[in-house]
Amino acid sequence: GAVVSQHPSWVICKSGTSVKIECRSLDFQATTMFWYRQFPKQSLMLMATSNEGSKATYEQGVEKDKFLINHASLTLSTLTVTSAHPEDSSFYICSMDRGDEQYFGPGTRLTVT
Amino acid sequence: EDQVTQSPEALRLQEGESSSLNCSYTVSGLRGLFWYRQDPGKGPEFLFTLYSAGEEKEKERLKATLTKKESFLHITAPKPEDSATYLCAVQVYNQGGKLIFGQGTELSVKP
Repeated sequence: GAVVSQHPSWVICKSGTSVKIECRSLDFQATTMFWYRQFPKQSLMLMATSNEGSKATYEQGVEKDKFLINHASLTLSTLTVTSAHPEDSSFYICSMDRGDEQYFGPGTRLTVT
Repeated sequence: EDQVTQSPEALRLQEGESSSLNCSYTVSGLRGLFWYRQDPGKGPEFLFTLYSAGEEKEKERLKATLTKKESFLHITAPKPEDSATYLCAVQVYNQGGKLIFGQGTELSVKP
C-alpha cells in the first residue's frame, strides 16, 4: 500500500502555544488530503478536507482559526493547532486519497499541559 | 443523516474460532465502503473497499462482503496477531471523498 508519514509522532506542549503537524505522502501525489481527530476509545472524526492550492473545508464545529491547514503541495499538508489548550489533546491523523483507496498516516499524539 | 454502526463493540475469540463483524449503514448514496484495521497508537491500515451489493473481497484470513444495508468482515481461523480494532467507514457521493466512520469493533484473539 501507499506510504503516508506524519511528523512528529508525538508532541507535548504548554497551554497557549502552537504546534505544527506535517503529513507527507512518500510515493504518490494526492490532490485531496483529510485531517481526522481521535479521542481515546473513540472512532475517527473528520476535522477538515484540503485540496492542493485552495482553502480547506472544515467540518461543523471545528474552528478554522484554531486549526490551520495548509496544503502546500501534492505531497505535503500541515495542520497547525494554534493557542492549544488541554482539551485539544488528542490523536491527530491525516489521510490521502489515492483513487479508490484512502491511506492514513501513523498519527500524531498531542498532549497539551 | 449518514450513519455507520458497528457491532459488536468488542469481541473475544479463541484462536481458530471463526466469527463475523457487522457494519450497518444508512447513507444518501453509497460511493464505497471501507474496512480498516487499527492497532493501538497507530493510524488505520487499509484492508478493503467495496462498491456494490454482492461484492466480496478476501485477504488472508479476512473476507469482506457487502449488501445494500450492511457489510460483514468474516475472520476465518483467527490468530492472536489479528487482535486489533476493525473500523468500517463509508464514502458518500458528492461529499468530497471524506470517510464517515463507525465506532469500531475491538477484536481480541486469545491463544
